[in-house]
Amino acid sequence: DAKTTQPTSMDCAEGRAANLPCNHSTISGNEYVYWYRQIHSQGPQYIIHGLKNNETNEMASLIITEDRKSSTLILPHATLRDTAVYYCIASTGNQFYFGTGTSLTVIP
Amino acid sequence: DGGITQSPKYLFRKEGQNVTLSCEQNLNHDAMYWYRQDPGQGLRLIYYSQIVNDFQKGDIAEGYSVSREKKESFPLTVTSAQKNPTAFYLCASSIEGGTGNEQFFGPGTRLTVL
Repeated sequence: DAKTTQPTSMDCAEGRAANLPCNHSTISGNEYVYWYRQIHSQGPQYIIHGLKNNETNEMASLIITEDRKSSTLILPHATLRDTAVYYCIASTGNQFYFGTGTSLTVIP
Repeated sequence: DGGITQSPKYLFRKEGQNVTLSCEQNLNHDAMYWYRQDPGQGLRLIYYSQIVNDFQKGDIAEGYSVSREKKESFPLTVTSAQKNPTAFYLCASSIEGGTGNEQFFGPGTRLTVL
């Protein structure tokens, strides 16, 4: 599976959009981009995933560049409950490689 | 309620003892996975199983063993050969391995070896 690169930490004001970037320059054609988040001492929570097209669900939007070498997870209106570590993963859906992710802090 | 259960939430064992962590799912998923997480680190894959009676080693399988006798159960045994067993253990499942399916995670078991 392709490795991904994410910033170590980010802050976001409550109510504003949180944009979390991810680089996956070595992603192969059959690998999807997945996003998960983990609140301390809990299991990771699935957020969204996509292959080529942009995706949106009730939690977030996923924007994938045309060359698929990077993506952005957008939380449209961040709340304090969105404070967590966010993981970006490139995978066919079998073996997932979780790096250290981005620690997002939503500030009141 | 459908989901993945792991028990117990906290587990303490003496050094040199084998210990088995439970993972059960009622989602009718074919694939199941075990991960280990150390403080401040991401998850690392220990073992995975794409179908009953079959499983493969992940990145850090040494010192661990698994079985997959039933579709809904994938227990992990931490043996005395595992040099640093204290960690947070997470189980996951997906409809089937590969093919772009998401994995759903249980709440985890925190193992402390004294």
